[in-house]
Amino acid sequence: AQRVTQPEKLLSVFKGAPVELKCNYSYSGSPELFWYVQYSRQRLQLLLRHISRESIKGFTADLNKGETSFHLKKPFAQEEDSAMYYCALIQGAQKLVFGQGTRLTINP
Amino acid sequence: DGGITQSPKYLFRKEGQNVTLSCEQNLNHDAMYWYRQDPGQGLRLIYYSQIVNDFQKGDIAEGYSVSREKKESFPLTVTSAQKNPTAFYLCASSIPRSRPGELFFGEGSRLTVL
Repeated sequence: AQRVTQPEKLLSVFKGAPVELKCNYSYSGSPELFWYVQYSRQRLQLLLRHISRESIKGFTADLNKGETSFHLKKPFAQEEDSAMYYCALIQGAQKLVFGQGTRLTINP
Repeated sequence: DGGITQSPKYLFRKEGQNVTLSCEQNLNHDAMYWYRQDPGQGLRLIYYSQIVNDFQKGDIAEGYSVSREKKESFPLTVTSAQKNPTAFYLCASSIPRSRPGELFFGEGSRLTVL
């Protein structure tokens, strides 16, 4: 069965430090993965998708098929990055399977 | 102002009562979804609909029902058969053919069973 695992429920780093939010997946086939973010008092929204290979708000994520991972990284954390982050995998054309989420806190 | 509107934001119900959560979108999106969000469990799919008058069960459909009579609307009924209904419910929509995996979410509805 397709599954997305985010091993860290909570992650706390200092401002200016590098950030890495871990995501591992299990999927038979070519996976398509996403990161979603929910800032305080805001709606859950798409942050980035792996096929776009883009950097959004300084975040990047590389799909590593050998390690079945899609970790989210940012070299220098900012206070406004504090949020809940969800990794997700698309199943078929419609269903999005989410991980458990990681709450990131950036300390000043 | 385009988007997805969920109502009510907060809802209390007594055990044994059915309750319906509303979800309306004016984005002209074909697909709509209902997720349940619980702490430590992420988002779990309840039901989804790709077109009007058609919907499919997600991973945790038991105790829930939906309808899709209009493209804009996808109400969720939490029935008395749902054993643990207290949760935060999120509705979303998308255009899967052109933007697969990109979901637009509502603000959510928090249901508390007393």
